[in-house]
Amino acid sequence: ILNVEQSPQSLHVQEGDSTNFTCSFPSSNFYALHWYRWETAKSPEALFVMTLNGDEKKKGRISATLNTKEGYSYLYIKGSQPEDSATYLCAFRDDSNYQLIWGAGTKLIIKP
Amino acid sequence: EPEVTQTPSHQVTQMGQEVILRCVPISNHVYFYWYRQILGQKVEFLVSFYNNEISEKSEIFDDQFSVERPDGSNFTLKIRSTKLEDSAMYFCASSARGLQPQHFGDGTRLSIL
Repeated sequence: ILNVEQSPQSLHVQEGDSTNFTCSFPSSNFYALHWYRWETAKSPEALFVMTLNGDEKKKGRISATLNTKEGYSYLYIKGSQPEDSATYLCAFRDDSNYQLIWGAGTKLIIKP
Repeated sequence: EPEVTQTPSHQVTQMGQEVILRCVPISNHVYFYWYRQILGQKVEFLVSFYNNEISEKSEIFDDQFSVERPDGSNFTLKIRSTKLEDSAMYFCASSARGLQPQHFGDGTRLSIL
């Protein structure tokens, strides 16, 4: 059974501080790793789709790295703002099918 | 920016009744998906649809479930005889290609009484 783990489960960060959290996924048969940002009462918003080992992607103050050999990805947020408060989900896809296997998410709360 | 729309936002149905959840994917997308999230649990994949047929389905997607793209615009999920455990948020998503980000609708909250 494929399993995707995210840690920590929740995180309180002071406004202005930088933070990061982890997504762990199976290291075999890797195809893609997706990151989504999910605000309460809204739909998940795609942040990144990562496919290559060593890949690093950036969108504004948010960036992500990927290590497919050891099966982890980090999401970084630089200079956290209140609007960054959301649940950050990662989802893994292996090379045998289309389905995304989701982590439980990291709930990020930015304290003003 | 184009978006995926889902209706209704909330559906309350008696156990044993049929329910149809509707989705209008982004117009130039060709891959379509349904996911669900039971309260307090992870998002779960249900089914993917491409070229007018199911490309993949999970164990959750049993004979009670079906999907259809009846008119080239809507993408529907039907649950034939609902059970209490079908209560969840159901999300529709679409993507332009298999490796492109999936764009999600706001979800339909399905409550089975």
